[in-house]
Amino acid sequence: EVQLVESGGDLVQPGRSLRLSCAASGFKFEDFAMNWVRQAPGKGLEWVAAITWNSGSIGYADSVKGRFTISRDNAKNSLYLQMNSLKSEDTALYYCAVGLPPESWGQGTLVTVSS
Amino acid sequence: IVMTQSPDSLAVSLGERATINCKSSQSVLYSPNNRNYVAWYQQKPGQPPKLLIYWASTRQSGVPDRFSGSGSGTDFTLTISSLQAEDVAVYYCQQFYNTPLSSFGQGTKLEIK
Repeated sequence: EVQLVESGGDLVQPGRSLRLSCAASGFKFEDFAMNWVRQAPGKGLEWVAAITWNSGSIGYADSVKGRFTISRDNAKNSLYLQMNSLKSEDTALYYCAVGLPPESWGQGTLVTVSS
Repeated sequence: IVMTQSPDSLAVSLGERATINCKSSQSVLYSPNNRNYVAWYQQKPGQPPKLLIYWASTRQSGVPDRFSGSGSGTDFTLTISSLQAEDVAVYYCQQFYNTPLSSFGQGTKLEIK
């Protein structure tokens, strides 16, 4: 069974940094592209970033480009999202999802950016 | 690529057909394999999204056959042939044509009339 468990969400002040992690199990992690997708409270889904199986191709939404960095460690079956220069509009539930299109999702980790 | 869904909300009687539309700002049809890079998701309150349809019309394993997807190029449709109570949810379309870049529609809230 595919399992994706996000962690690292927290309450942070604007301008600060945060690193999210996603622990994957139940599938061959190194074979699949991975995504981060977020959902602000009461709002729709926003695709944030994706990374191919070997980190050879990476993409970001315009709203986070230059501030967020997606990475993966295939040896640890883990996906990461380094978030810098956080803004209030980054407040959301952040989901980790596997595949293109994403076919399995975690439960999410909540990031709140507020002073 | 911008994905625009219509309507924003929809109320349908139990057993009736529900139709949700999605339009992309440019074609998401990849001619070499004749595939449309569109997926549809269902999201219920407090849950992560669930993949229903990919390649615009291929049903994900385990998805009831009352769900179907159609369309090509820039115009796509998700149809629920006979609405059940458990289908109340928000539905999203997504394009993955310019992988690894992607984008979602704004969502359509489906309710029972």
